[in-house]
Amino acid sequence: GQQVMQIPQYQHVQEGEDFTTYCNSSTTLSNIQWYKQRPGGHPVFLIQLVKSGEVKKQKRLTFQFGEAKKNSSLHITATQTTDVGTYFCAGLGTNAGKSTFGDGTTLTVKP
Amino acid sequence: DAGITQSPRHKVTETGTPVTLRCHQTENHRYMYWYRQDPGHGLRLIHYSYGVKDTDKGEVSDGYSVSRSKTEDFLLTLESATSSQTSVYFCAIWGGYSNQPQHFGDGTRLSIL
Repeated sequence: GQQVMQIPQYQHVQEGEDFTTYCNSSTTLSNIQWYKQRPGGHPVFLIQLVKSGEVKKQKRLTFQFGEAKKNSSLHITATQTTDVGTYFCAGLGTNAGKSTFGDGTTLTVKP
Repeated sequence: DAGITQSPRHKVTETGTPVTLRCHQTENHRYMYWYRQDPGHGLRLIHYSYGVKDTDKGEVSDGYSVSRSKTEDFLLTLESATSSQTSVYFCAIWGGYSNQPQHFGDGTRLSIL
């Protein structure tokens, strides 16, 4: 079945440093979605990428979808303490009803 | 936030007892999901439903059953709870269009002693 690997599992940064998490799928994806979960909260949708090579930005966050539609990344520029949480990617494959989530990257930011 | 309510929010029970978690939505979404979240494992799909009385297994379905008798309700049952089922359980809904995200409930923290 479809597998989605996400690295790193944890990332500790100093406030102001950049952060990147990577997602790799074993199969070609129809789309990929990114979610953020604050400590004690539930996953909240951030963005969806659909097209090969697509790049989207949300303020300090940059999302990329690979040319082969099998990998994706989330980059945060100049992290802030409000960025703490766990970031998940979720890939939609051939089964239209099921997305496969990566294990998430937990970001901690030291002031 | 999307209209999703999980109940109970917290539950402590003993090994061997039956447990039912409820997910209720007011969005009339076709798809509903149950995930469990454990440290180091992210979100793992237990079961999902693609319509009333239509359900399918996820990657960690052993020991769990589900039912969906109405569009708005999706029940997760642990017939005989075990300590390995201690986890945080999230319900999610999806409208069925590829450009839509999943919306998650607030979660149920279940402890089995």
